[in-house]
Amino acid sequence: EAQVTQNPRYLITVTGKKLTVTCSQNMNHEYMSWYRQDPGLGLRQIYYSMNVEVTDKGDVPEGYKVSRKEKRNFPLILESPSPNQTSLYFCASSLRTSGGTDTQYFGPGTRLTVL
Amino acid sequence: KQEVTQIPAALSVPEGENLVLNCSFTDSAIYNLQWFRQDPGKGLTSLLLIQSSQREQTSGRLNASLDKSSGRSTLYIAASQPGDSATYLCAVHTGGFKTIFGAGTRLFVKA
Repeated sequence: EAQVTQNPRYLITVTGKKLTVTCSQNMNHEYMSWYRQDPGLGLRQIYYSMNVEVTDKGDVPEGYKVSRKEKRNFPLILESPSPNQTSLYFCASSLRTSGGTDTQYFGPGTRLTVL
Repeated sequence: KQEVTQIPAALSVPEGENLVLNCSFTDSAIYNLQWFRQDPGKGLTSLLLIQSSQREQTSGRLNASLDKSSGRSTLYIAASQPGDSATYLCAVHTGGFKTIFGAGTRLFVKA
């Protein structure tokens, strides 16, 4: 089954404790992206990747890191989480076209709470 | 800077009614526009994708139109059903590989 998976689905942690949220897709998509969703602010893009070893900032990259060493995986790293990073996080993937992307497929989400 | 607005923020309709959800964007230089559905506490499900060169797309009871020059897209839902109750999101994909979402329209269809 074609899908985007995220782990963990739920995470409660404390300020400053490094964490990684994994994202994996089995559709051979070049494009992958991370979003956060907050009440009243909607979905905002954190980082995206056009292909292996190619990443760029979205609208809210501060406090996050990403890497794309393999086509299927795009982990989101919080080196020193803070309470304002408490949010619902989504990973998405898509085929890349000549000028952009095709339909984006989303993972189930990771609910992160930073105390 | 691209901004995406969805009106109305919430909508309640009786079952069977045809309805229109609106999405507007400030910069017409978009690559495509995608409509999603999100159920409470769940992920996003893609409904329709309209490329910048297209005027509309249809899937079942859903029809999405795009008018790039005026910065508008509409999602038309025919014969609404209680199962259509969800939040509907539109997202604009720019040529620079960025995606900007609207805040969504929360739809409630009463049986």
